[in-house]
Amino acid sequence: KAGVTQTPRYLIKTRGQQVTLSCSPISGHRSVSWYQQTPGQGLQFLFEYFSETQRNKGNFPGRFSGRQFSNSRSEMNVSTLELGDSALYLCASSLARGGEKLFFGSGTQLSVL
Amino acid sequence: DQQVKQNSPSLSVQEGRISILNCDYTNSMFDYFLWYKKYPAEGPTFLISISSIKDKNEDGRFTVFLNKSAKHLSLHIVPSQPGDSAVYFCAASGSRAGANNLFFGTGTRLTVIP
Repeated sequence: KAGVTQTPRYLIKTRGQQVTLSCSPISGHRSVSWYQQTPGQGLQFLFEYFSETQRNKGNFPGRFSGRQFSNSRSEMNVSTLELGDSALYLCASSLARGGEKLFFGSGTQLSVL
Repeated sequence: DQQVKQNSPSLSVQEGRISILNCDYTNSMFDYFLWYKKYPAEGPTFLISISSIKDKNEDGRFTVFLNKSAKHLSLHIVPSQPGDSAVYFCAASGSRAGANNLFFGTGTRLTVIP
């Protein structure tokens, strides 16, 4: 069974640009969550989607948005990039809700110059 | 404000000895706790969890202890093996069956020396 796939693996952008990251969950998983990992803050929850609906949202500005498609694939978008957005963005999928059932992808490393 | 804290960024242990990783939390509403392990270039993988109704949970070489009054949990690895070298994240949730909104610590890098 294929794991969670995130693309691209690496991304370099400049301030003010926007970026879209993609996540394909494990087949059959309907919940997709996004986390931001930075050295000083650890992993911070961005949002969760379940059956194309946002179920929960973390404490991030509106520049961070996401969506989920009918095949459970998810995208997150960051507009008007800032230097502080440089981070590893991790996607996790699960069959149901509950932290122990989260399966993470390898992440997209975003660098904002 | 970091609600889950791992105050030791790194830990080195000799192979065969015990590794103890610590985690503190501030939110008394947390009732479910997890440990994840992360290797370089890979996403975190679930290791072990504990509900607030327990004070200990064991799975093979891994044991998690919870002290609710102190808002402290720890992960014990016995015996430690070189393959255990990774970054370990402590995480907490308001409900085991709740949202996938986990609060993570900043991680502790464990190095097991052969």
